[in-house]
Amino acid sequence: AQRVTQVQSTGSSQWGEVTLDCSYETSEYSYLILWYRQLFSGEMVFLIYQPSFDTQNQRSGHYSVVFQKSFKSISLVISASQPEDSGTYFCALSEGNSNNRIFFGDGTQLVVKP
Amino acid sequence: ETAVFQTPNYHVTQVGNEVSFNCKQTLGHDTMYWYKQDSKKLLKIMFSYNNKQLIVNETVPRRFSPQSSDKAHLNLRIKSVEPEDSAVYLCASSWTGANTGQLYFGEGSKLTVL
Repeated sequence: AQRVTQVQSTGSSQWGEVTLDCSYETSEYSYLILWYRQLFSGEMVFLIYQPSFDTQNQRSGHYSVVFQKSFKSISLVISASQPEDSGTYFCALSEGNSNNRIFFGDGTQLVVKP
Repeated sequence: ETAVFQTPNYHVTQVGNEVSFNCKQTLGHDTMYWYKQDSKKLLKIMFSYNNKQLIVNETVPRRFSPQSSDKAHLNLRIKSVEPEDSAVYLCASSWTGANTGQLYFGEGSKLTVL
């Protein structure tokens, strides 16, 4: 069963705020939700993570998340998006205290138009 | 800046041939991974090596074998490739103690099996 579902498969935007949605399934008490971006070169770049125990939404640069633990959902918010933010964004679930159990969603392809 | 290096970037071969992909990381990490990304961009972990010890094998077919000479290198050998092995193989590394879910990825090795 798919553990991580990304609602939008594709999206486009012009300059401004972009929100990408993700839902997940886990029975673990402790977990992390991660966001990665895949560049056109193929390289996956880590953006931000949200620990399950932290009620505060995390921020990193112009990335932030909106974490709704009770709904098992999380959104990535990209503020002031620009064309160079285009790429495929992956939501991922890391269970337990190990990087060995990371489950990725299918990705959302984002195009930010100039 | 990329610190996980994969070779070759592309490889085209025929069914039944043997293929090897090499990966080297210069970050001083103690854990390395191989992920498979299929044509639908779905990422799945294949292997994880911590200090040359295999610690994860997600029911990958036996024709796949990881090989590690030291903690900075993790190669992937595929004996007798099948058409379903066509995919991008992504190498990654991380530091065990940093439980943030942050993996550092290479740019991938794209395999096409004719």
